[in-house]
Amino acid sequence: NAGVTQTPKFQVLKTGQSMTLQCAQDMNHEYMSWYRQDPGMGLRLIHYSVGAGITDQGEVPNGYNVSRSTTEDFPLRLLSAAPSQTSVYFCASRRTGGRSYNEQFFGPGTRLTVL
Amino acid sequence: DQQVKQNSPSLSVQEGRISILNCDYTNSMFDYFLWYKKYPAEGPTFLISISSIKDKNEDGRFTVFLNKSAKHLSLHIVPSQPGDSAVYFCAASEGTGRRALTFGSGTRLQVQP
Repeated sequence: NAGVTQTPKFQVLKTGQSMTLQCAQDMNHEYMSWYRQDPGMGLRLIHYSVGAGITDQGEVPNGYNVSRSTTEDFPLRLLSAAPSQTSVYFCASRRTGGRSYNEQFFGPGTRLTVL
Repeated sequence: DQQVKQNSPSLSVQEGRISILNCDYTNSMFDYFLWYKKYPAEGPTFLISISSIKDKNEDGRFTVFLNKSAKHLSLHIVPSQPGDSAVYFCAASEGTGRRALTFGSGTRLQVQP
């Protein structure tokens, strides 16, 4: 049981490049989400999904795209990287039934730098 | 405008003493609150939570207090240990399990041996 895995751990991009941050979980969780962490800003929600085929925007969705074709995977795509997207990205998953927040599991994060 | 605020970016305490981390919120619809702990190069991990129908929840050395009228919650760690040194995030939610968590900006706790 690996929990939530994220790849890559580190990435450097040039402005305008695109890339996909991978996230996978093996706990059969319906709910998956992406956050970014910036100094002094805490964790801000980018996009989330309550199940395969269902996604929705969070607080800071601009410049990012997601899809959820399987329960296990929830990739985050940067369409055209900008320096403002330099951040640490965390993927998280949990069940959706009842008060399941206690069981929200986070991945180890991807540190992205956009030059 | 941040709905969950942690106004102290950092806190330093001596080993064995009490650590008190504070969190304020503005959204009166929040009805569930959580604390997460984060070590460097790791994702946040759940620490303790409290429902708005309670004013206190205890788990070992960790106690969370909720003051709904003041829209304020605090995390007490007694006694503090060097292994508690980490960033602590306060988070809040409203409604059903399908709603996302709103996080504060975090407080870095340093416990001095």
